[in-house]
Amino acid sequence: AQTVTQSQPEMSVQEAETVTLSCTYDTSENNYYLFWYKQPPSRQMILVIRQEAYKQQNATENRFSVNFQKAAKSFSLKISDSQLGDTAMYFCAFMTDTDKLIFGTGTRLQVFP
Amino acid sequence: GAGVSQSPRYKVAKRGQDVALRCDPISGHVSLFWYQQALGQGPEFLTYFQNEAQLDKSGLPSDRFFAERPEGSVSTLKIQRTQQEDSAVYLCASSLPHNTPGAEAFFGQGTRLTVV
Repeated sequence: AQTVTQSQPEMSVQEAETVTLSCTYDTSENNYYLFWYKQPPSRQMILVIRQEAYKQQNATENRFSVNFQKAAKSFSLKISDSQLGDTAMYFCAFMTDTDKLIFGTGTRLQVFP
Repeated sequence: GAGVSQSPRYKVAKRGQDVALRCDPISGHVSLFWYQQALGQGPEFLTYFQNEAQLDKSGLPSDRFFAERPEGSVSTLKIQRTQQEDSAVYLCASSLPHNTPGAEAFFGQGTRLTVV
């Protein structure tokens, strides 16, 4: 069975600084997709970034980038130039071959001025 | 519509009451998912539809939970004889067909159910 682990319940970072959120997963599959979702207090899950496992190149989306280590089954999210609006819960997720998502327990990120 | 719409946003039910939660997916999205998110936890998969066919209901916690999508668009999650442990946020998501690998799932804002 696939599992996703986020070992940091809470993180904080000062505005304009960089922060890295950790995620590890377990699967026996070779082809899969990984995602980071942001959940603000409004509760709506918003896709931040995704990574295809068959791609060696790490995905980037503006200030967001990932460090994907397939052999180590690690998928960390780096947020550069943190902004107050980045304050939210962040969930790492694994997509199975039936398209359902398996989420970690989340990391609460607080960006302070 | 512009996004996934869920109603109601909040629901308070007395223990033993039946509830129905509605999800309007993005127009044209074939796949629809329901997730349950307990307080302080990540969402957990409940069930999956492709058009009107319920292809996976392995996550439904008991036979009190029932989901349907009769016309392949709007979906309803019904919980019978609610219990306190059913209190959670219920999230609906929709996405393009399965043959679009890694398709992004778009989420609604969820329904927060509180059973008292």
